[in-house]
Amino acid sequence: LAKTTQPISMDSYEGQEVNITCSHNNIATNDYITWYQQFPSQGPRFIIQGYKTKVTNEVASLFIPADRKSSTLSLPRVSLSDTAVYYCLVGDEGSGAGSYQLTFGKGTKLSVIP
Amino acid sequence: NAGVTQTPKFRVLKTGQSMTLLCAQDMNHEYMYWYRQDPGMGLRLIHYSVGEGTTAKGEVPDGYNVSRLKKQNFLLGLESAAPSQTSVYFCASEQGNNQPQHFGDGTRLSIL
Repeated sequence: LAKTTQPISMDSYEGQEVNITCSHNNIATNDYITWYQQFPSQGPRFIIQGYKTKVTNEVASLFIPADRKSSTLSLPRVSLSDTAVYYCLVGDEGSGAGSYQLTFGKGTKLSVIP
Repeated sequence: NAGVTQTPKFRVLKTGQSMTLLCAQDMNHEYMYWYRQDPGMGLRLIHYSVGEGTTAKGEVPDGYNVSRLKKQNFLLGLESAAPSQTSVYFCASEQGNNQPQHFGDGTRLSIL
């Protein structure tokens, strides 16, 4: 299993762009990179997933360099409601085997300041 | 669609009591998971199921049992509750093929 390392916490002011980087040096060829967001007293919620280069959706962007040993979640113009814990997961579900191989670490606690 | 529903939302037990947590999903997902989350920690996988009638152990299975008699339901049982099992329990389901997991809102369980 690929191990991930991400900062324990980050602070940002409202309106700024926030970039959270995750290191996954032993990522395997078939591994995908997935980010989840968790608000207090709620279950995690899927944000974005990618394999290589750049992925963008209505919530965030995910940048993955060519060597895939790291990835960066980018949140544009954060607001107070983006205060949450963000988890980076790396793994391969195989042939429809489910993502039970994925491990949620402690994540990055993002605090958005007014 | 309700998504993933967990029952109950809160429960207080005495040491040694038993109980069952229910997880129901209406998305026809094959895979279901039970996690626990302790303060300041990430989620740890207790048990999971890759289909109706199948279950498997995760990272922290001791003291828990599970059953998946119907595709839409995944039950987590505590046979003899211990204070160390005080936690927030999350259930999730997933379609497979690298699709994201869908989580319930959790069950907050306190064992005195």
